[in-house]
Amino acid sequence: QQPVQSPQAVILREGEDAVINCSSSKALYSVHWYRQKHGEAPVFLMILLKGGEQKGHEKISASFNEKKQQSSLYLTASQLSYSGTYFCGTERGAAGNKLTFGGGTRVLVKP
Amino acid sequence: DAGITQSPRYKITETGRQVTLMCHQTWSHSYMFWYRQDLGHGLRLIYYSAAADITDKGEVPDGYVVSRSKTENFPLTLESATRSQTSVYFCASSESRWGEANTEAFFGQGTRLTVV
Repeated sequence: QQPVQSPQAVILREGEDAVINCSSSKALYSVHWYRQKHGEAPVFLMILLKGGEQKGHEKISASFNEKKQQSSLYLTASQLSYSGTYFCGTERGAAGNKLTFGGGTRVLVKP
Repeated sequence: DAGITQSPRYKITETGRQVTLMCHQTWSHSYMFWYRQDLGHGLRLIYYSAAADITDKGEVPDGYVVSRSKTENFPLTLESATRSQTSVYFCASSESRWGEANTEAFFGQGTRLTVV
């Protein structure tokens, strides 16, 4: 079952912040975040394991709330290069490694 | 070249024909995945493989067949192509180990398949 992402799209001005949410109806073992530029393959940003840890990649950070089965990606002081589609991927259990992605959030950062 | 490559990059086929999409990785990663990407659906998992000769269904396996006789190759076959299988197909691999969380997945450049 695919995780649900929100919002579906967001438009930002350079320097603004945004939050992308990812939620699942099932217990999660880990959450991945990827970014895809138009016409290209998805590229890895970070992985969060259950335990509520936060991670960062440049000025992009994420959190994972295991109890709420949710993860959030924070785009801080957005740059033009942050434009693209962001996908969260989830695993429900360590065994099996079935990595399932959400529908994606399209982000457009304008000058 | 090291990495993960898909072939062909573009393919047009007719309804009812069998078509095979190839995926090759040079890292000896244990796990490999096939996804299809359609507008409004994100990336949907078709099949995945934990190792050579071990494969399992994902969310949308109907109409597809996979095999993995060698660690580095993971071909995806559409047995009898339908228009609904028109999509962009991505192959991915990761060095995850059974019983552990997935590590970073590396994606191929994709195959754009059109079924007419």
